[in-house]
Amino acid sequence: DAKTTQPNSMESNEEEPVHLPCNHSTISGTDYIHWYRQLPSQGPEYVIHGLTSNVNNRMASLAIAEDRKSSTLILHRATLRDAAVYYCITPRRGSNYKLTFGKGTLLTVNP
Amino acid sequence: KAGVTQTPRYLIKTRGQQVTLSCSPISGHRSVSWYQQTPGQGLQFLFEYFSETQRNKGNFPGRFSGRQFSNSRSEMNVSTLELGDSALYLCASSLDGTSGKTQYFGPGTRLLVL
Repeated sequence: DAKTTQPNSMESNEEEPVHLPCNHSTISGTDYIHWYRQLPSQGPEYVIHGLTSNVNNRMASLAIAEDRKSSTLILHRATLRDAAVYYCITPRRGSNYKLTFGKGTLLTVNP
Repeated sequence: KAGVTQTPRYLIKTRGQQVTLSCSPISGHRSVSWYQQTPGQGLQFLFEYFSETQRNKGNFPGRFSGRQFSNSRSEMNVSTLELGDSALYLCASSLDGTSGKTQYFGPGTRLLVL
């Protein structure tokens, strides 16, 4: 898995978009980019994942840089429920699951 | 579909004892992974089971062990408990455990060792 770098914390206002960055400059062509989040007192929750192209789902969008050395998780309208620690992970394609979590980004959402 | 369930949710043990934690994956999921989460070390991978076989193991001492049953339910055991084993133990399941598939986490078992 590539080493990932994320800001320790970010702050947002409710109803505004949030862009959470992740740097993974050593990523290989066979590494996925996954995002998970962990709400207080809960287990991690899958958010989104991609390989090369941008991805959208009901929770968020994932924008992947053309060189794949960075990605951005986009929450289109932050709610108080989105306050959580967000983890960016790059497991190798085809590998068996062994997610390596870093410290993640603590997102605070202000009302 | 029911989510991943873990029992018990909370546990208090004393040093030297052993403990067994249980995880029931989402129906149809054959891969179960275990993680330990502590404030100091964050989330760390313990091991992963698929079809009753351990496929992947993290960097933990042999006191930590696990198994998976034919119905994909899994247990993890920690023997000779130490104070440092106090943590949130999380179980996650996925269809086949490969990196392109989503992992679904349970709520965790919070273990306190006194």
